[in-house]
Amino acid sequence: DAGVIQSPRHEVTEMGQEVTLRCKPISGHDYLFWYRQTMMRGLELLIYFNNNVPIDDSGMPEDRFSAKMPNASFSTLKIQPSEPRDSAVYFCASSRTGSNQPQHFGDGTRLSIL
Amino acid sequence: AQSVTQLGSHVSVSEGALVLLRCNYSSSVPPYLFWYVQYPNQGLQLLLKYTSAATLVKGINGFEAEFKKSETSFHLTKPSAHMSDAAEYFCAGGEYYGGSQGNLIFGKGTKLSVKP
Repeated sequence: DAGVIQSPRHEVTEMGQEVTLRCKPISGHDYLFWYRQTMMRGLELLIYFNNNVPIDDSGMPEDRFSAKMPNASFSTLKIQPSEPRDSAVYFCASSRTGSNQPQHFGDGTRLSIL
Repeated sequence: AQSVTQLGSHVSVSEGALVLLRCNYSSSVPPYLFWYVQYPNQGLQLLLKYTSAATLVKGINGFEAEFKKSETSFHLTKPSAHMSDAAEYFCAGGEYYGGSQGNLIFGKGTKLSVKP
């Protein structure tokens, strides 16, 4: 089975540009999570969806960040405008409903804002 | 779990030595718990998960963890470390409510170094 697929794997862009990160969850999974990982702050949950509906976005740092899930097989995380402090590795994960269902992670997008 | 605490941000062992990575949780209801491993430049991979059926859980790569309710712990162990075990390990937990799973709470991670 294909795992969680994220694109791009690496993104380098200049401050002020719009950045869009993409995620395809595992088929049949109804939860989708976006995380950010940095050396200073570790792994942080940004937002998660259930059946395409955002459930908790309290981890989204500021209004420059937005996430959408238009259908069960696709989600985007957008940063506009981007800033150097947004540089991090962004992970997408998905899971099924039910106790003891683990989250399955993608390989991440390494984002560098110059 | 309402919170997950990993004791020790860095652990160093010699090849062949016992690996012990500590995780404690706080929860007012029975939790479900996981250990993940992250190798450099990769995402988190599931090592093992706790189900209420057994307190000793075996995972991949020779790792196992024991759920101890009295100590609110879920420590990860491996009898003999291998160089390939060098990675960062995350403990995570959540609480079961009526059949639906919400968010997981992740510990801050423990980096394991293995010396030759």
